[in-house]
Amino acid sequence: AQSVAQPEDQVNVAEGNPLTVKCTYSVSGNPYLFWYVQYPNRGLQFLLKYITGDNLVKGSYGFEAEFNKSQTSFHLKKPSALVSDSALYFCAVRDIADFNKFYFGSGTKLNVKP
Amino acid sequence: DVKVTQSSRYLVKRTGEKVFLECVQDMDHENMFWYRQDPGLGLRLIYFSYDVKMKEKGDIPEGYSVSREKKERFSLILESASTNQTSMYLCASRQGSNQPQHFGDGTRLSIL
Repeated sequence: AQSVAQPEDQVNVAEGNPLTVKCTYSVSGNPYLFWYVQYPNRGLQFLLKYITGDNLVKGSYGFEAEFNKSQTSFHLKKPSALVSDSALYFCAVRDIADFNKFYFGSGTKLNVKP
Repeated sequence: DVKVTQSSRYLVKRTGEKVFLECVQDMDHENMFWYRQDPGLGLRLIYFSYDVKMKEKGDIPEGYSVSREKKERFSLILESASTNQTSMYLCASRQGSNQPQHFGDGTRLSIL
């Protein structure tokens, strides 16, 4: 079965410090991976994706993610956190066989404190 | 920018009612999706549609149906609402299998 896991329900970081939100995946084959962000009372917004190519993917709002095949991970990172980055973050993987199916993690709440 | 519009932000209905949730996208996308979002469970796919009048069941279709009569509109129907269908419902659309999904702002549905 294909899935993603976000091992942390919540991540706390001080403004200006680097942040990491973790995601691991389980896929039999080459994964297509995505990160989304959800602000309160809003839908999900796309941040970045990994399809193929460079393991370091750059996305919106200064976020980047590192694909690590040996560790089956796709962690979201940002060098310097902002208070406005506080939100709920979701990792997702596209089904290998059915391109219309996505599997989302349970979400990680990021709290950035001033 | 792609815009996905869900007709209601908040909705309160009673057990046994037939409930319609509407979603419209303005970018001529082929694919449209309905998810429900529950705390600690992430997003779970209810149904998706890859063309007009075409639909496929997702992971949790029981108690739901969908309708796609026009390309831009995808409706989710709760045939007989029950309290365990109280949730946040998210609609999304996408063009192309490698493209990300674009989400609406969600409908928070309460069934009393």
